[in-house]
Amino acid sequence: GDSVTQMEGPVTLSEEAFLTINCTYTATGYPSLFWYVQYPGEGLQLLLKATKADDKGSNKGFEATYRKETTSFHLEKGSVQVSDSAVYFCALSDRDTGNQFYFGTGTSLTVIP
Amino acid sequence: DAGVTQSPTHLIKTRGQQVTLRCSPKSGHDTVSWYQQALGQGPQFIFQYYEEEERQRGNFPDRFSGHQFPNYSSELNVNALLLGDSALYLCASTLRGLHYGYTFGSGTRLTVV
Repeated sequence: GDSVTQMEGPVTLSEEAFLTINCTYTATGYPSLFWYVQYPGEGLQLLLKATKADDKGSNKGFEATYRKETTSFHLEKGSVQVSDSAVYFCALSDRDTGNQFYFGTGTSLTVIP
Repeated sequence: DAGVTQSPTHLIKTRGQQVTLRCSPKSGHDTVSWYQQALGQGPQFIFQYYEEEERQRGNFPDRFSGHQFPNYSSELNVNALLLGDSALYLCASTLRGLHYGYTFGSGTRLTVV
C-alpha cells in the first residue's frame, strides 16, 4: 500500500543554516506529494505541493522537487529562521486510492539564534 | 473568511465513555475528513464524508463513527473509549474531495483517563 518514510528528528540548526528533510514514498498509482507544517498547539498548514513528476513546489523559501526515479520529495531551505521552528510532515495523496492522505511521522525542527 | 472550526479544543473522558467531536468546514467546502494524530506521530486517516455519506474509511474499528449534516458540518463519535484513543483529532475540509485543496482545523485534544 501507499506509505511515506520521513527522516527522523529532532533536527536542531543555527539560524541561517541550510535545511534538508528527507522524504521517500511508496505508491501504487500516481500520487501528489505535500509538505505540511505544524506549529505548537495548532493544526496542519499546507507548506507546498507537487502534483506530478519533476514538479517543484515552493513557498516561503522552502522547496521540494517530485523525483519519480528516486521516489523522493526532500524539503530544503537555504537559510532557516527561528520562526521556522515547527514539525514538518511529508504526505502523499493518490486518486487511485481515494484521495486520503498518508503522512510520515513528522520531523521536529528547532532553529536557535 | 473562517477556516475549519473544531470543538471542543480539549476534553477529558473516562475509559468506556462515549465522545462526540464537531467540525465546521471552511466556507465553500463540502467534503470533510477526520484524522487521528497520536503524540509524536503523523495523522492517520479515519474517514471521509461527502454528500452526507461516508465515502472512504481508514483502518479504524466500528467504535469510530461519523455523520455529515446538510450544512456540510460533521461529527466524529467514538464509543467505548480506550486509553489508546487519546490523541489530537483533526478535521480537514475541501471541495468535492480535491486533495490539493484541503484545509485543516486546529484539532480537538482528547485525553482518556
